[in-house]
Amino acid sequence: ELKVEQNPLFLSMQEGKNYTIYCNYSTTSDRLYWYRQDPGKSLESLFVLLSNGAVKQEGRLMASLDTKARLSTLHITAAVHDLSATYFCAVDIQGGSEKLVFGKGTKLTVNP
Amino acid sequence: EPEVTQTPSHQVTQMGQEVILRCVPISNHLYFYWYRQILGQKVEFLVSFYNNEISEKSEIFDDQFSVERPDGSNFTLKIRSTKLEDSAMYFCASSIERDYGYTFGSGTRLTVV
Repeated sequence: ELKVEQNPLFLSMQEGKNYTIYCNYSTTSDRLYWYRQDPGKSLESLFVLLSNGAVKQEGRLMASLDTKARLSTLHITAAVHDLSATYFCAVDIQGGSEKLVFGKGTKLTVNP
Repeated sequence: EPEVTQTPSHQVTQMGQEVILRCVPISNHLYFYWYRQILGQKVEFLVSFYNNEISEKSEIFDDQFSVERPDGSNFTLKIRSTKLEDSAMYFCASSIERDYGYTFGSGTRLTVV
């Protein structure tokens, strides 16, 4: 059974600081997704990572994938209050059916 | 930008009643999904649907649940005889192909009382 673990689960940081969220998964996968969720809202797609070594950046967020280590990171640069949200990683099983297995999410709070 | 549309946004129902949650996926997408999120918890897969049939379902998706694509645009989730523990946010998602990611709808908050 595929397990996806995120850490930390809660992150409080000050504006302007940098931090990294980690996503580990237990079995081989070739697709990893990052989503953002604001309270009571839907899941907004941030990044789709499809291969080992993939790196994608959008604004202050950068995501990377290491399939050999079964690890993805979401790096936040110079955080701003608008980045406050819950961030989920999700993994699609290699050679398996079309379903996503989600981590528990990281609730990020950026304080002024 | 194309959206996945879900209705209603919030539904309150009495325990034991049947509910139908409705979704309109993005028009050229081929794969459809239902997920649910119990308040404050992670998102869980319920069922995937392709080519007018279920391609996979989770352990949660028991005989109480069914899905249907009654016409060319709608995708529905029916929950028969709702239980208190069915209270959750239900998300519909669609995809043209996995490499392009999945688009989630805004969700239906189901409250069973």
